[in-house]
Amino acid sequence: GEDVEQSLFLSVREGDSSVINCTYTDSSSTYLYWYKQEPGAGLQLLTYIFSNMDMKQDQRLTVLLNKKDKHLSLRIADTQTGDSAIYFCAETPTSYGKLTFGQGTILTVHP
Amino acid sequence: SAVISQKPSRDICQRGTSLTIQCQVDSQVTMMFWYRQQPGQSLTLIATANQGSEATYESGFVIDKFPISRPNLTFSTLTVSNMSPEDSSIYLCSVSGTANTGELFFGEGSRLTVL
Repeated sequence: GEDVEQSLFLSVREGDSSVINCTYTDSSSTYLYWYKQEPGAGLQLLTYIFSNMDMKQDQRLTVLLNKKDKHLSLRIADTQTGDSAIYFCAETPTSYGKLTFGQGTILTVHP
Repeated sequence: SAVISQKPSRDICQRGTSLTIQCQVDSQVTMMFWYRQQPGQSLTLIATANQGSEATYESGFVIDKFPISRPNLTFSTLTVSNMSPEDSSIYLCSVSGTANTGELFFGEGSRLTVL
């Protein structure tokens, strides 16, 4: 079946950039997502990218997609302590289909 | 974006009992999804709920344990039946955006603890 892999931990200093990486196996992935989960909260959709795009930028967030290598990354510029959370990568082959999630990356931002 | 409300937000339940979780969306949506997030884990899809038809369950999940209702295009319920401590999880409802742009939104989740 489909598989989505993420590194489990990332620690950065406040003001630095954070890069969270994700790899996936499903070659029919159409939409790829990044969600943020803060302690005790649900999932917040941060951004998503359609598979025919290489890059998407939204304020401090930049998503890069390498479809050949099935690699997705999320870059957070000027990381703040409020960015500390778990970040999930997810993919689906359709615009309304079920998501396959990675394990989540725990981002810790130090002052 | 879709606004999703779930009830209850959290509950503590006794072993052997059942609990129904409600998901209300502020707009009509064709498909609604129910996910489970076990402690410290990622999310796993339980089932897809379409209005007017039986829910479609993923491998490892059965209707007797997780009955789902979808009476209209803005509402769904998930029941966790005959609970055991292993059912302690966050249960999340998800819907696609109304413009069918690929956006998929989640509710705040219902955190269940089974004693």
